[in-house]
Amino acid sequence: GAGVSQSPRYKVAKRGQDVALRCDPISGHVSLFWYQQALGQGPEFLTYFQNEAQLDKSGLPSDRFFAERPEGSVSTLKIQRTQQEDSAVYLCASSLGRLAWADSYEQYFGPGTRLTVT
Amino acid sequence: KQEVTQIPAALSVPEGENLVLNCSFTDSAIYNLQWFRQDPGKGLTSLLLIQSSQREQTSGRLNASLDKSSGRSTLYIAASQPGDSATYLCAVRNSGGYQKVTFGIGTKLQVIP
Repeated sequence: GAGVSQSPRYKVAKRGQDVALRCDPISGHVSLFWYQQALGQGPEFLTYFQNEAQLDKSGLPSDRFFAERPEGSVSTLKIQRTQQEDSAVYLCASSLGRLAWADSYEQYFGPGTRLTVT
Repeated sequence: KQEVTQIPAALSVPEGENLVLNCSFTDSAIYNLQWFRQDPGKGLTSLLLIQSSQREQTSGRLNASLDKSSGRSTLYIAASQPGDSATYLCAVRNSGGYQKVTFGIGTKLQVIP
């Protein structure tokens, strides 16, 4: 059906507020990724889920960042006590692939959530 | 740590020109390489995916090549059109672990009518 969707599309938060960003992957896609894209930069990997398991969170910049995918479909990226340096576009992508070492499926990206921390 | 570099950072060409965008990566142990297009304020649109065992992929006016041993890929756009104006991103999926993907900064292309 539809592609990857993200909400909200735009979020303005005051410094110190908590935010939650939602990603709805393509139905049936096993893998889900979060990326952070600062202005003028390429996306930077944050974390990866295979179904509900978070297999790689090495890209999360601090312990204020937390992601979950409890039922293996929708995912939420939560940022606590937002700072100005968190301002960026947060992209979600999903992929059909199952096995990391054999998979070569392409990633499909959502439109992103633009977070501005004032 | 994988690093991906894209040259040039920006490119402005008249309509109708053929052009080449370059991508290089430091670790040749990759599963695949993907070229994306990003329009201002939008997400990424996949253009071409090249598996590590392939040397090139074609889609319409686009042709992407991959030389894994030398850590290079090129995206060739034939007969450029104003609608091709966008930022083009190269991304490699690294092997030796889970599906971590490393992106370049992108090449911002402007095609002038």
